[in-house]
Amino acid sequence: QVQLVESGGGLVKPGGSLRLSCAVSGFILSDYYMTWIRQAPGKGLEWVAHISGRDSNTHYADSVKGRFTISRDNAKNSLYLQMNSLRAEDTAFYYCAREGDYGGYPSWGQGTQVTVSS
Amino acid sequence: DIQMTQSPSSLSASVGDRVTITCRASQSIGSSLNWYHQKPGKAPKLLIYDSSTLQNGVPSTFIGTGSGTDFTLTITSLHPEDFAIYYCQQSYSAPRTFGPGTRLETK
Repeated sequence: QVQLVESGGGLVKPGGSLRLSCAVSGFILSDYYMTWIRQAPGKGLEWVAHISGRDSNTHYADSVKGRFTISRDNAKNSLYLQMNSLRAEDTAFYYCAREGDYGGYPSWGQGTQVTVSS
Repeated sequence: DIQMTQSPSSLSASVGDRVTITCRASQSIGSSLNWYHQKPGKAPKLLIYDSSTLQNGVPSTFIGTGSGTDFTLTITSLHPEDFAIYYCQQSYSAPRTFGPGTRLETK
């Protein structure tokens, strides 16, 4: 069955960097759009970035553009989010999700916590 | 970017009640609208995609309607497990924005 498992979260100082990983199984990574979505404490869902399946086209939310990079390694069945120049407002629970064939995100990981604080 | 709004922001209801949540997009998105609910400490769960199609395993008490800019999610008879936060999300274009959420609480 489809599984997504995030890792790499933690505590980092403002201005620091962190790399999140999402290990996937049960499907072919390159066949799907993959997305990072985050949720700040007590807040709603914020779409962060996605990468297309076939040609690795990427798109970012304005709030992270120029600081975050989404990438994928099909051979390792893994999705990544490189986060640089982190700010306090990046503190959130980060989920990876697979986009469905007809829209929406039917498959999510369990999430990983990122805390940006001095 | 397409902005999504939801109303109400919160709603109190009882088991067996019929409730409706509204979602509006800042521009036409056709039928590219999805609904989720989220319970504390859990990842969101997709309920409806493409405005009105039930995700596998979601009960038929959930009904999605709408197209263009205005959409609704109706729960025809609330069950105890339906109390959660509900989000709409557009998949018409990137960034694939979410609505701010509607908290459905027990009365």
